[in-house]
Amino acid sequence: GAGVSQSPRYKVAKRGQDVALRCDPISGHVSLFWYQQALGQGPEFLTYFQNEAQLDKSGLPSDRFFAERPEGSVSTLKIQRTQQEDSAVYLCASSFSGMHGDTQYFGPGTRLTVL
Amino acid sequence: TQLLEQSPQFLSIQEGENLTVYCNSSSVFSSLQWYRQEPGEGPVLLVTVVTGGEVKKLKRLTFQFGDARKDSSLHITAAQPGDTGLYLCAGARGNNRLAFGKGNQVVVIP
Repeated sequence: GAGVSQSPRYKVAKRGQDVALRCDPISGHVSLFWYQQALGQGPEFLTYFQNEAQLDKSGLPSDRFFAERPEGSVSTLKIQRTQQEDSAVYLCASSFSGMHGDTQYFGPGTRLTVL
Repeated sequence: TQLLEQSPQFLSIQEGENLTVYCNSSSVFSSLQWYRQEPGEGPVLLVTVVTGGEVKKLKRLTFQFGDARKDSSLHITAAQPGDTGLYLCAGARGNNRLAFGKGNQVVVIP
């Protein structure tokens, strides 16, 4: 069956541009997570959705970062006025219920490079 | 501040050798998970350990959760080149968000 898919796989942006990263979770998965993975680091939590509700956005590094999941399936992470420090791999994960201990399935990530 | 410290950060060994990597924290977690991540891919879950002192085996991989549920280890027996990858440990926080360590980069040389 299809796993979590993300697009684009690679994105190069000039500093100051806006970017939008898409995540297609596994069909039927209630919970969706975004993580940021800088080079040589482990993933860092950004935000979490249960269906269309954004229940936790405490990991978003600034108000330039915005995420949405309007219909409870596909999610978009938007970064406005990109900065060089935003360069990283952005990982999306989904889980069936989001309950504690539920397995999170990760997509391949979008590698963002800001010049 | 990294909640989970992984060591060593980088390890290179010959095929057939054994290795152990560690994941340590000052915090207690209800469970710890181990993932393997290959270049250009997302992390893939290997195992979840829940009970203090628990040992789980996955073919040549042995995972142990410390008695106090603050640390974990991964032991690979007779490593193969296919074991090469970044091994990440993660603990579940509120809302099921995961807190990851920086990872153990393992390279197995044929």
